[in-house]
Amino acid sequence: AAGVIQSPRHLIKEKRETATLKCYPIPRHDTVYWYQQGPGQDPQFLISFYEKMQSDKGSIPDRFSAQQFSDYHSELNMSSLELGDSTLYFCASSLGGPLDSPLHFGNGTRLTVT
Amino acid sequence: RKEVEQDPGPFNVPEGATVAFNCTYSNSASQSFFWYRQDCRKEPKLLMSVYSSGNEDGRFTAQLNRASQYISLLIRDSKLSDSATYLCVVNEETSGSRLTFGEGTQLTVNP
Repeated sequence: AAGVIQSPRHLIKEKRETATLKCYPIPRHDTVYWYQQGPGQDPQFLISFYEKMQSDKGSIPDRFSAQQFSDYHSELNMSSLELGDSTLYFCASSLGGPLDSPLHFGNGTRLTVT
Repeated sequence: RKEVEQDPGPFNVPEGATVAFNCTYSNSASQSFFWYRQDCRKEPKLLMSVYSSGNEDGRFTAQLNRASQYISLLIRDSKLSDSATYLCVVNEETSGSRLTFGEGTQLTVNP
C-alpha cells in the first residue's frame, strides 16, 4: 500500500540558508501534519492542513512556513536556518482529522545545519 | 506538567514476558487515544487505537479509564520484535487537529 512520502531523506544546509521539505500524503488523504522530533524526545507538533487550509498551529517558529497544494502535497519552508533546527522532521497524513482516522507517518527528513 | 505522561522506562524483559505500560493525560476533554510504536530512527507507526470499552489485537490489549484519565497497554508473550519505544498519543478536541505525544517508554525484549 502507498505510504506517506517525504523528500529529501537527508538534507544538509548551512546557517542562514533556506530549506524546503516536501511531503506527499497517502492518496485520498486530505490532512497533512508536520512534526519535529529531537533525539530521545517525543514528536512535537508544528502545523497541520486540511483541504489546503491551515487547520492547526503548534510550536512552529516564525522563520518557518508551510502550505498544502491543490494535489494535497505539502511543503515546509524553513528560512534563516539555525544550528538548533538540526533534527528529524516528520510529515503525517490522515483522511479527515485525527478524530476521524489515525495518522500515518512518512519516513522523515533529517536536517543538518552546519 | 506535561499533557501526556508515560512510565519513564526503560523496560527490559525476557521473551515471553507480559509487560504493561501506563499513561495519563491531563485534559479531560481529550477525545481520541492511541498507542504508536517507534523503532530507532524510524517513523512512529500506529499500533492500535484505544476505545472506551477496551480493545484487544492479538497479544496487545489497550484499556482506557476516562474517569482516571488513564490509558494502558498490555503486551503478552512478548517477542524480540516487540523491542521499540511505545508512545501514548492523545487528541484533545480543544487543540484542533494535533496529536499530543507522550515521551515514550522504551521496551527491550531479551532472548
